[in-house]
Amino acid sequence: AQKVTQAQTEISVVEKEDVTLDCVYETRDTTYYLFWYKQPPSGELVFLIRRNSFDEQNEISGRYSWNFQKSTSSFNFTITASQVVDSAVYFCALSETNFGNEKLTFGTGTRLTIIP
Amino acid sequence: DTGVSQDPRHKITKRGQNVTFRCDPISEHNRLYWYRQTLGQGPEFLTYFQNEAQLEKSRLLSDRFSAERPKGSFSTLEIQRTEQGDSAMYLCASTTGEVYEQYFGPGTRLTVT
Repeated sequence: AQKVTQAQTEISVVEKEDVTLDCVYETRDTTYYLFWYKQPPSGELVFLIRRNSFDEQNEISGRYSWNFQKSTSSFNFTITASQVVDSAVYFCALSETNFGNEKLTFGTGTRLTIIP
Repeated sequence: DTGVSQDPRHKITKRGQNVTFRCDPISEHNRLYWYRQTLGQGPEFLTYFQNEAQLEKSRLLSDRFSAERPKGSFSTLEIQRTEQGDSAMYLCASTTGEVYEQYFGPGTRLTVT
């Protein structure tokens, strides 16, 4: 069975600091996808990134970067120069390819608070 | 592209009543998912449709829950004889077969009193 663990329940940092959110996953499949979603106070889940299991290249998008390491089954997310608007709950998720049903298994989330 | 919409956004009901939620996916998306999210937890998969066919149901979906997607467009999720444990946010997501990211609606928050 697949599982996603986000050990950090809550993180608070002062604005402009860098912060890394950890994600560890378990799966028996060799082909899978990893995701990060943001859930602001409004409640709607916002897609941030998708990474497939064959692509271990790190990715950077503006202030966001992601580090995927299959050797440690981790897919960590770093926000550089954090801003108050980054305050939200962040979810890591895993999807196995299963005859077209790419249902997501989510972690429990990390609540990030940026202190102005 | 107006995104995924859900109706109602909030629902308060008394225990034992039936409730029905609606989800309108992004128009060209043939795959539709329902998830449930309780306080402090990540969303959990409930059921999946490809076009009008319901192809998988989670064990979380008891006999009191039923979902439909007539004509492969909007979907409804009905809960019969609601219980306090049904209180949660019910999320709908849609996607196509060519991409794997699911786009989520704003959710329906159900409170059973």
